[in-house]
Amino acid sequence: DVKVTQSSRYLVKRTGEKVFLECVQDMDHENMFWYRQDPGLGLRLIYFSYDVKMKEKGDIPEGYSVSREKKERFSLILESASTNQTSMYLCASSFVEQVGGQPQHFGDGTRLSIL
Amino acid sequence: DQQVKQNSPSLSVQEGRISILNCDYTNSMFDYFLWYKKYPAEGPTFLISIGSIKDKNEDGRFTVFLNKSAKHLSLHIVPSQPGDSAVYFCAASDGDSGYSTLTFGKGTMLLVSP
Repeated sequence: DVKVTQSSRYLVKRTGEKVFLECVQDMDHENMFWYRQDPGLGLRLIYFSYDVKMKEKGDIPEGYSVSREKKERFSLILESASTNQTSMYLCASSFVEQVGGQPQHFGDGTRLSIL
Repeated sequence: DQQVKQNSPSLSVQEGRISILNCDYTNSMFDYFLWYKKYPAEGPTFLISIGSIKDKNEDGRFTVFLNKSAKHLSLHIVPSQPGDSAVYFCAASDGDSGYSTLTFGKGTMLLVSP
């Protein structure tokens, strides 16, 4: 069974702090994704990566960066946290081949509060 | 500009009846569609998918219908059960490339009452 593990379920940080959210997957997936989920807005893609050290911007990359030093690990970084980054953050992974629509597999999310 | 739309924020259904969740899309390049289910405090889980070459895909109590000309898909759950109460997200993919991403709708909260 695919396992996507996010390091924290709940996190509280202060405005201006640098925040790291970690995600690890155990299925040797090439692709990894970071989303945020907000009420009434659904899931919005922040960044994704299709290989080690590769990254691509999603729909809302401003204020975020990512790091992928190893295939199984994808980190989301909030360079200087702001209150409007309070949200549920979801990590996902998938195989590179989308033939047949390989679904993305999600972690359980990190609920981040910025005070 | 919202490319995947779920116009009903919520839906209430009685146990045993049919639940129909709807999704519309605007991007004609989308060729694969997925439904995810999400319980509170958990990540979304994949439910069922359909490629644009088909108009129906069935998996147990879940059936997805695709109408390409109308750019519309729907998820039917028959019979509905209280455990189906969750938020359902429709998502679309724009190609067979491994680098394609999913575009999600805003979700529909389904409540199935006993």
